[in-house]
Amino acid sequence: DTAVSQTPKYLVTQMGNDKSIKCEQNLGHDTMYWYKQDSKKFLKIMFSYNNKELIINETVPNRFSPKSPDKAHLNLHINSLELGDSAVYFCASSQDTLTNPNGYTFGSGTRLTVV
Amino acid sequence: QKEVEQNSGPLSVPEGAIASLNCTYSDRGSQSFFWYRQYSGKSPELIMFIYSNGDKEDGRFTAQLNKASQYVSLLIRDSQPSDSATYLCAVHSNSGYALNFGKGTSLLVTP
Repeated sequence: DTAVSQTPKYLVTQMGNDKSIKCEQNLGHDTMYWYKQDSKKFLKIMFSYNNKELIINETVPNRFSPKSPDKAHLNLHINSLELGDSAVYFCASSQDTLTNPNGYTFGSGTRLTVV
Repeated sequence: QKEVEQNSGPLSVPEGAIASLNCTYSDRGSQSFFWYRQYSGKSPELIMFIYSNGDKEDGRFTAQLNKASQYVSLLIRDSQPSDSATYLCAVHSNSGYALNFGKGTSLLVTP
């Protein structure tokens, strides 16, 4: 069983479209995250949810909206897609990163290409 | 966002040599430190965790932490071509709720 699964793996879409990426974890973790990795490999935190509650909302355009129906799922909806949104989006989950040696478990990523 | 700095590389080492990867961080309140390895087109995978000053060894990997200097490093002994990847340093502070990642160092191990 995949611990953190994301769908779709690849997403090619036109500017102006609306798209969603889904993430599910079966690890029983309390916290889930969305990270964006740009072409230079920089992983930047976008959102974090703890037990369905938003705890981090970094400076991200409000075209991006996370939704967590339960603590095992964290979806990302993107409105009015722009060329600059092209990147790899990673979902991750953790129990507690402060002293937990297991850190994050990452999903396999969704490569979004906006044309 | 608190800064985590890494030399982007590429760092090229011959097979069998020691690869030394360095990371500095700006938040003095940082508590936990991680090294992730990321192969091209894949997701990051955890290889080391350290939270106390000093060295921590796991197989061919040694993480070194110096909180006074705000510096964490990763040594890879007997480097293999399969170690060629991007290594990401990640830092978690008391005041933060997520890991802050550096931009990664690309390592190339040549046969």
